[in-house]
Amino acid sequence: GQNIDQPTEMTATEGAIVQINCTYQTSGFNGLFWYQQHAGEAPTFLSYNVLDGLEEKGRFSSFLSRSKGYSYLLLKELQMKDSASYLCAVFDSNYQLIWGAGTKLIIKP
Amino acid sequence: GAVVSQHPSRVICKSGTSVKIECRSLDFQATTMFWYRQFPKQSLMLMATSNEGSKATYEQGVEKDKFLINHASLTLSTLTVTSAHPEDSSFYICSARPLRIGLAGAGPRETQYFGPGTRLLVL
Repeated sequence: GQNIDQPTEMTATEGAIVQINCTYQTSGFNGLFWYQQHAGEAPTFLSYNVLDGLEEKGRFSSFLSRSKGYSYLLLKELQMKDSASYLCAVFDSNYQLIWGAGTKLIIKP
Repeated sequence: GAVVSQHPSRVICKSGTSVKIECRSLDFQATTMFWYRQFPKQSLMLMATSNEGSKATYEQGVEKDKFLINHASLTLSTLTVTSAHPEDSSFYICSARPLRIGLAGAGPRETQYFGPGTRLLVL
């Protein structure tokens, strides 16, 4: 079966750095997405990785290792507005998007 | 760029009635639109995938006669929940995949852009 694992919940302090991990087992791989979803709102696109390595975009970076079936989202200089759920999603060999359950990130002052 | 709207944002209806939700891509044309449902504290559940001018593809366990999808143009898809019941109460979210790449601030062509969602409450 296809499976994506992320921690259910994480807590971090304002101004700090947090890393949210995602591991996947899918039938094929055609890219990995990270989305941010604030409570009661729809997801918004954060990043896309299809090759190994680190993609940096401002305070957010996303890393991918295809051989390990592993990705992480790194958030720096955390702000209170970063409190949200972060969803990892993988395109399988049929370009079907497989969603993780999301990681709820709680930022404390 | 890559803005998707949904209407209505919130609807309350009586059991047995039908509810139509519209999903529009405002500044791009979408080859494909997706309909998701999300229950509280759970992840997105794909209900169906629709391509303009063709029948929608429903996920296993989703009743196509209950959740009618019409994808009339490259910018509009509608989901109609027929004979709604309280168990249909949920957060319904659509997403759209662009026909072309190159949208400002956008990801790759495969990126799905989400509407703001419709919260349905069936009494």
